[in-house]
Amino acid sequence: NAGVTQTPKFQVLKTGQSMTLQCAQDMNHEYMSWYRQDPGMGLRLIHYSVGAGITDQGEVPNGYNVSRSTTEDFPLRLLSAAPSQTSVYFCASSPGLAGPSSYEQYFGPGTRLTVT
Amino acid sequence: EDKVVQSPLSLVVHEGDTVTLNCSYEVTNFRSLLWYKQEKKAPTFLFMLTSSGIEKKSGRLSSILDKKEPFSILNITATQTGDSAIYLCAVEAIGANNLFFGTGTRLTVIP
Repeated sequence: NAGVTQTPKFQVLKTGQSMTLQCAQDMNHEYMSWYRQDPGMGLRLIHYSVGAGITDQGEVPNGYNVSRSTTEDFPLRLLSAAPSQTSVYFCASSPGLAGPSSYEQYFGPGTRLTVT
Repeated sequence: EDKVVQSPLSLVVHEGDTVTLNCSYEVTNFRSLLWYKQEKKAPTFLFMLTSSGIEKKSGRLSSILDKKEPFSILNITATQTGDSAIYLCAVEAIGANNLFFGTGTRLTVIP
């Protein structure tokens, strides 16, 4: 199993550009989520999905869109990048349907995004 | 509002020392608390604790939760340089479908 994979590893965008961060898992997990990690702020939940076709907002959803057309993939779209979105983005998955800590969460390696 | 506070923010110790990391939380309808270790990249799962109060142990690491206070501690005995990392605490509320993370404790173990 590859586990949770994310692409790209690094990305630099100009303000106003859009892009999609890719996340895939091969463990047949129902629950997937996107976090951003900023210095001094810990991990903050952006969006999550409890299964294909079902997504919901987390703590900091503004400026981001998600979709879940398959169990495996959970892309995160930045609609119009802003410098405030400079961060490290982590995708995570877990098999539990009753919440993310029904089982341990598996994190991807992260994407470091810089918006200039 | 749900809140998770970790202390200290950072800690520097010598190899062989024992450290205690703290995580206090305010969560409505608490379900579980999780500890993660984050080295250079993604967080990796250490322990999950519930209100049962049962201590969890794995080698030199152990953790326990006090639901009354409420807080959790993560103990690392006989620290090694490989223990250097950010340790994250996260809490889940029943029905919340997400985790609230603290800001983490950065532990540095020097030889």
